[in-house]
Amino acid sequence: QQPVQSPQAVILREGEDAVINCSSSKALYSVHWYRQKHGEAPVFLMILLKGGEQKGHEKISASFNEKKQQSSLYLTASQLSYSGTYFCGTRVETYKYIFGTGTRLKVLA
Amino acid sequence: DAGVIQSPRHEVTEMGQEVTLRCKPISGHNSLFWYRQTMMRGLELLIYFNNNVPIDDSGMPEDRFSAKMPNASFSTLKIQPSEPRDSAVYFCASMAQSNTGELFFGEGSRLTVL
Repeated sequence: QQPVQSPQAVILREGEDAVINCSSSKALYSVHWYRQKHGEAPVFLMILLKGGEQKGHEKISASFNEKKQQSSLYLTASQLSYSGTYFCGTRVETYKYIFGTGTRLKVLA
Repeated sequence: DAGVIQSPRHEVTEMGQEVTLRCKPISGHNSLFWYRQTMMRGLELLIYFNNNVPIDDSGMPEDRFSAKMPNASFSTLKIQPSEPRDSAVYFCASMAQSNTGELFFGEGSRLTVL
């Protein structure tokens, strides 16, 4: 039931782009993305509510393909501050939110 | 405004001991969640409450785990007896009634069971 993310880990140089994918075996009613820095709590980035919806947050954007039950997070021109673990989450029932397996991102200078 | 407050931040205990983790959600938030984070399993949902009522505890791993929310401003997660495999970071999160999907997490309680 837990969404599956890929890749599990990625290492980038500053300025490079990355894509993190999230897929589910069950229907996704909504998708939300969080970033967790080492030793800290996850922090909300954005939510996508409709199939095909795309959203942006600084140089971080996301898309949601409801039919394919997938979402992707796009990080462009990555910065050192983007390092952390990214989680996709989804609502599976009213008020019930579960998270994917996580993708560890490391940006090097 | 204060965020979600969890205590203790760190707990080291011996196998068999009782552990109680505490959470104060953001004032006005109606939903409260307990998650467990490990390297192997990521963020696992243990239980969640809405308006202080437990809605789904299917994620609680065993009967050794229990959670309560006696009022809108306080929740506890108890493990009795604790085992080494319970070692993890336990996060509490709250969400407003609007159910937007934006969860606000506390800083977590890191539990080590020896």
